[in-house]
Amino acid sequence: ETGVTQTPRHLVMGMTNKKSLKCEQHLGHNAMYWYKQSAKKPLELMFVYSLEERVENNSVPSRFSPECPNSSHLFLHLHTLQPEDSALYLCASSQAQGYTDTQYFGPGTRLTVL
Amino acid sequence: AQSVTQLGSHVSVSEGALVLLRCNYSSSVPPYLFWYVQYPNQGLQLLLKYTTGATLVKGINGFEAEFKKSETSFHLTKPSAHMSDAAEYFCAVRGNSGYALNFGKGTSLLVTP
Repeated sequence: ETGVTQTPRHLVMGMTNKKSLKCEQHLGHNAMYWYKQSAKKPLELMFVYSLEERVENNSVPSRFSPECPNSSHLFLHLHTLQPEDSALYLCASSQAQGYTDTQYFGPGTRLTVL
Repeated sequence: AQSVTQLGSHVSVSEGALVLLRCNYSSSVPPYLFWYVQYPNQGLQLLLKYTTGATLVKGINGFEAEFKKSETSFHLTKPSAHMSDAAEYFCAVRGNSGYALNFGKGTSLLVTP
Protein backbone atom coordinates (compact mmCIF):
# COMPACT_ATOMS: atom_id res chain seq x y z
CA GLU A 1 0.00 0.00 0.00
CA THR A 2 1.19 3.49 -0.76
CA GLY A 3 0.02 6.98 0.09
CA VAL A 4 -3.16 7.40 2.09
CA THR A 5 -5.75 4.64 2.15
CA GLN A 6 -9.31 4.75 3.46
CA THR A 7 -11.79 2.04 4.25
CA PRO A 8 -14.53 1.43 3.52
CA ARG A 9 -14.89 3.29 0.24
CA HIS A 10 -18.68 3.29 0.50
CA LEU A 11 -20.89 3.08 3.58
CA VAL A 12 -24.65 3.14 3.99
CA MET A 13 -25.98 3.40 7.52
CA GLY A 14 -29.15 4.11 9.37
CA MET A 15 -29.49 6.94 11.83
CA THR A 16 -29.25 4.59 14.81
CA ASN A 17 -26.20 2.68 13.64
CA LYS A 18 -22.64 2.98 14.90
CA LYS A 19 -19.85 2.68 12.37
CA SER A 20 -16.22 3.70 11.98
CA LEU A 21 -14.17 5.06 9.12
CA LYS A 22 -10.51 4.11 8.94
CA CYS A 23 -7.59 5.98 7.44
CA GLU A 24 -4.00 4.79 7.16
CA GLN A 25 -1.05 6.74 5.84
CA HIS A 26 2.11 5.08 4.56
CA LEU A 27 4.13 8.28 4.13
CA GLY A 28 5.75 8.63 7.55
CA HIS A 29 3.86 11.86 8.23
CA ASN A 30 3.19 13.31 11.68
CA ALA A 31 -0.16 15.05 11.08
CA MET A 32 -3.51 13.66 9.97
CA TYR A 33 -6.79 15.34 9.04
CA TRP A 34 -10.47 14.62 8.51
CA TYR A 35 -12.36 16.71 5.94
CA LYS A 36 -16.02 16.61 4.92
CA GLN A 37 -16.92 17.21 1.27
CA SER A 38 -20.59 17.92 0.64
CA ALA A 39 -22.17 18.71 -2.69
CA LYS A 40 -21.96 22.38 -3.67
CA LYS A 41 -20.00 23.31 -0.51
CA PRO A 42 -16.28 23.84 0.06
CA LEU A 43 -14.32 21.14 1.81
CA GLU A 44 -14.69 21.54 5.55
CA LEU A 45 -11.90 20.69 7.94
CA MET A 46 -13.25 18.61 10.82
CA PHE A 47 -10.30 17.48 12.91
CA VAL A 48 -6.53 17.70 12.93
CA TYR A 49 -4.11 15.49 14.81
CA SER A 50 -0.46 16.37 15.16
CA LEU A 51 1.87 13.87 16.81
CA GLU A 52 -1.25 11.94 17.81
CA GLU A 53 -2.74 14.87 19.71
CA ARG A 54 -5.88 16.61 18.56
CA VAL A 55 -4.98 20.18 17.70
CA GLU A 56 -8.12 21.32 15.94
CA ASN A 57 -11.79 20.53 16.30
CA ASN A 58 -13.84 22.82 14.11
CA SER A 59 -17.18 22.84 15.90
CA VAL A 60 -18.00 19.34 14.78
CA PRO A 61 -21.08 17.71 16.37
CA SER A 62 -20.33 15.13 19.04
CA ARG A 63 -21.88 12.39 16.91
CA PHE A 64 -18.50 12.42 15.13
CA SER A 65 -15.69 11.14 17.34
CA PRO A 66 -12.10 10.95 16.05
CA GLU A 67 -9.38 8.68 17.30
CA CYS A 68 -5.69 8.65 16.47
CA PRO A 69 -3.98 5.66 18.13
CA ASN A 70 -0.65 6.25 16.39
CA SER A 71 0.86 8.47 13.73
CA SER A 72 -0.18 6.15 10.90
CA HIS A 73 -3.83 5.54 11.73
CA LEU A 74 -6.85 7.76 12.10
CA PHE A 75 -10.43 6.76 12.77
CA LEU A 76 -13.73 8.57 12.65
CA HIS A 77 -16.38 6.95 14.83
CA LEU A 78 -19.94 7.68 13.81
CA HIS A 79 -23.14 7.33 15.85
CA THR A 80 -26.71 8.58 15.56
CA LEU A 81 -25.98 10.47 12.37
CA GLN A 82 -28.42 12.61 10.44
CA PRO A 83 -29.23 12.48 6.71
CA GLU A 84 -27.42 15.80 6.24
CA ASP A 85 -24.22 14.05 7.32
CA SER A 86 -24.22 12.17 4.01
CA ALA A 87 -21.05 13.27 2.24
CA LEU A 88 -17.60 12.24 1.09
CA TYR A 89 -15.23 12.03 4.05
CA LEU A 90 -11.63 12.60 3.14
CA CYS A 91 -8.58 11.82 5.19
CA ALA A 92 -5.27 13.58 4.61
CA SER A 93 -1.80 13.53 6.08
CA SER A 94 1.22 15.82 6.02
CA GLN A 95 4.64 16.28 7.50
CA ALA A 96 3.83 19.33 9.57
CA GLN A 97 6.51 21.97 9.06
CA GLY A 98 4.85 25.31 9.51
CA TYR A 99 2.62 26.69 6.81
CA THR A 100 4.10 25.16 3.69
CA ASP A 101 3.66 21.43 4.09
CA THR A 102 1.58 19.57 1.53
CA GLN A 103 -1.45 17.58 2.54
CA TYR A 104 -1.87 14.24 0.79
CA PHE A 105 -5.42 12.97 0.49
CA GLY A 106 -6.93 9.54 0.47
CA PRO A 107 -9.70 8.51 -1.95
CA GLY A 108 -12.44 9.14 0.59
CA THR A 109 -15.38 7.25 2.05
CA ARG A 110 -18.75 7.97 0.47
CA LEU A 111 -21.22 7.95 3.37
CA THR A 112 -24.96 7.76 2.93
CA VAL A 113 -27.19 8.13 5.99
CA LEU A 114 -30.73 6.86 5.56
CA ALA B 1 -9.23 35.15 7.92
CA GLN B 2 -7.81 33.60 4.80
CA SER B 3 -10.22 32.55 2.05
CA VAL B 4 -10.36 31.91 -1.68
CA THR B 5 -13.00 32.48 -4.32
CA GLN B 6 -13.11 30.45 -7.48
CA LEU B 7 -14.87 32.22 -10.32
CA GLY B 8 -16.98 29.88 -12.39
CA SER B 9 -18.26 26.59 -11.05
CA HIS B 10 -18.09 25.06 -14.54
CA VAL B 11 -15.62 25.73 -17.34
CA SER B 12 -15.78 24.07 -20.74
CA VAL B 13 -12.90 24.11 -23.24
CA SER B 14 -12.13 22.30 -26.45
CA GLU B 15 -9.32 19.80 -26.59
CA GLY B 16 -6.14 21.69 -27.42
CA ALA B 17 -7.44 25.02 -26.17
CA LEU B 18 -6.08 27.10 -23.33
CA VAL B 19 -7.29 26.24 -19.86
CA LEU B 20 -7.79 29.13 -17.43
CA LEU B 21 -9.27 28.53 -13.99
CA ARG B 22 -9.60 31.58 -11.78
CA CYS B 23 -8.86 31.92 -8.10
CA ASN B 24 -8.78 35.06 -5.98
CA TYR B 25 -7.67 35.06 -2.40
CA SER B 26 -8.21 37.12 0.69
CA SER B 27 -5.51 37.06 3.30
CA SER B 28 -4.30 39.28 6.10
CA VAL B 29 -0.85 37.72 5.95
CA PRO B 30 1.36 36.57 3.07
CA PRO B 31 -0.63 33.68 1.64
CA TYR B 32 0.38 30.13 0.95
CA LEU B 33 -1.71 28.96 -1.99
CA PHE B 34 -2.45 25.56 -3.47
CA TRP B 35 -4.23 24.03 -6.41
CA TYR B 36 -5.60 20.50 -6.13
CA VAL B 37 -7.34 18.30 -8.69
CA GLN B 38 -9.97 15.67 -7.98
CA TYR B 39 -10.81 13.01 -10.55
CA PRO B 40 -14.11 11.14 -10.24
CA ASN B 41 -14.25 8.81 -7.27
CA GLN B 42 -10.80 9.81 -6.11
CA GLY B 43 -9.25 12.00 -3.46
CA LEU B 44 -7.50 15.30 -4.04
CA GLN B 45 -4.10 15.42 -5.71
CA LEU B 46 -1.76 18.38 -5.41
CA LEU B 47 -1.10 20.14 -8.72
CA LEU B 48 1.15 22.93 -7.42
CA LYS B 49 1.70 25.31 -4.56
CA TYR B 50 3.03 28.79 -3.94
CA THR B 51 4.86 29.59 -0.74
CA THR B 52 7.54 32.21 -1.37
CA GLY B 53 9.95 33.13 -4.11
CA ALA B 54 9.17 32.83 -7.82
CA THR B 55 5.64 33.94 -8.57
CA LEU B 56 5.21 31.62 -11.56
CA VAL B 57 4.79 28.12 -10.23
CA LYS B 58 4.94 25.04 -12.41
CA GLY B 59 3.09 21.91 -11.43
CA ILE B 60 2.31 18.47 -12.70
CA ASN B 61 0.58 17.56 -15.96
CA GLY B 62 1.63 20.81 -17.66
CA PHE B 63 -0.26 23.12 -15.32
CA GLU B 64 1.13 26.36 -13.93
CA ALA B 65 -0.14 29.26 -11.85
CA GLU B 66 1.01 32.79 -11.29
CA PHE B 67 0.80 34.56 -7.96
CA LYS B 68 -0.18 38.19 -8.47
CA LYS B 69 -0.21 40.12 -5.24
CA SER B 70 -1.55 43.30 -6.80
CA GLU B 71 -4.57 41.41 -8.12
CA THR B 72 -4.83 38.98 -5.17
CA SER B 73 -5.04 36.20 -7.73
CA PHE B 74 -3.59 32.75 -8.29
CA HIS B 75 -5.09 31.60 -11.58
CA LEU B 76 -4.34 28.14 -12.95
CA THR B 77 -3.46 27.71 -16.62
CA LYS B 78 -2.50 25.05 -19.11
CA PRO B 79 -1.64 25.89 -22.72
CA SER B 80 -3.38 22.94 -24.33
CA ALA B 81 -6.19 20.94 -22.76
CA HIS B 82 -6.31 17.17 -22.92
CA MET B 83 -9.38 15.02 -22.47
CA SER B 84 -7.76 13.57 -19.37
CA ASP B 85 -7.79 17.01 -17.71
CA ALA B 86 -11.54 16.78 -17.14
CA ALA B 87 -11.90 16.91 -13.37
CA GLU B 88 -12.77 19.13 -10.41
CA TYR B 89 -10.16 21.73 -9.50
CA PHE B 90 -9.82 23.32 -6.09
CA CYS B 91 -7.90 26.39 -5.02
CA ALA B 92 -6.92 26.59 -1.36
CA VAL B 93 -5.15 28.96 1.00
CA ARG B 94 -3.47 28.12 4.25
CA GLY B 95 -5.60 29.06 7.24
CA ASN B 96 -4.70 31.03 10.34
CA SER B 97 -3.96 28.02 12.50
CA GLY B 98 -1.21 26.67 10.33
CA TYR B 99 -2.99 23.39 9.81
CA ALA B 100 -6.21 24.07 7.97
CA LEU B 101 -6.52 24.53 4.26
CA ASN B 102 -9.40 26.81 3.32
CA PHE B 103 -10.77 25.57 0.00
CA GLY B 104 -12.79 27.25 -2.68
CA LYS B 105 -15.99 25.64 -3.92
CA GLY B 106 -14.22 24.11 -6.89
CA THR B 107 -14.40 24.44 -10.66
CA SER B 108 -15.50 21.55 -12.81
CA LEU B 109 -13.51 21.43 -16.05
CA LEU B 110 -15.12 19.82 -19.08
CA VAL B 111 -12.97 19.12 -22.13
CA THR B 112 -14.81 18.56 -25.39
CA PRO B 113 -13.40 16.84 -28.49
